[in-house]
Amino acid sequence: ETGVTQSPTHLIKTRGQQVTLRCSSQSGHNTVSWYQQALGQGPQFIFQYYREEENGRGNFPPRFSGLQFPNYSSELNVNALELDDSALYLCASSYTGLAGFDEQFFGPGTRLTVL
Amino acid sequence: KNEVEQSPQNLTAQEGEFITINCSYSVGISALHWLQQHPGGGIVSLFMLSSGKKKHGRLIATINIQEKHSSLHITASHPRDSAVYICVTPTGNQFYFGTGTSLTVIP
Repeated sequence: ETGVTQSPTHLIKTRGQQVTLRCSSQSGHNTVSWYQQALGQGPQFIFQYYREEENGRGNFPPRFSGLQFPNYSSELNVNALELDDSALYLCASSYTGLAGFDEQFFGPGTRLTVL
Repeated sequence: KNEVEQSPQNLTAQEGEFITINCSYSVGISALHWLQQHPGGGIVSLFMLSSGKKKHGRLIATINIQEKHSSLHITASHPRDSAVYICVTPTGNQFYFGTGTSLTVIP
């Protein structure tokens, strides 16, 4: 059973550019959540995808968007990058079934720096 | 005011001490997660619990849904326990994170 993986591990972009971060869920999981963690802060919930549809969203602008694919892998897209978007981006996968939401397993994160 | 509050924010302990980290929340929840984040960013899920108590090795987590309070206990603390501990409440389609407790265990 493979764990949650993310790519790339590090990324440097400039203001105004667009970025795509990728996450491969743990085998058997159908739900993926994305989080932003600024340096020295706790993670902030961006959104969650369940069965390829957005299933909840935190307080992030529309330039943060996502996709979940049939194999339950996921992408986080950020348009028009701003300096404040510099952060560690974490994804977490879980299984949501009839009993509801299950424990999340986190990926190692992608560290994005916006210059 | 945060929906989820943790205390203390920072904690330094001597190796072997018993440690308690508290989490209080104001939102209605069905379950609560305790996470451990090591320097460098890796996050490990320690517990997910919706009632009572769970134990894993030297770690014990308790929750009182009525009082909206959870605690994470570490027995016989060790320097490798040094990390940030975060409680998370999934509520509806949102996740609320506690402010985190930074634990340093000194040999």
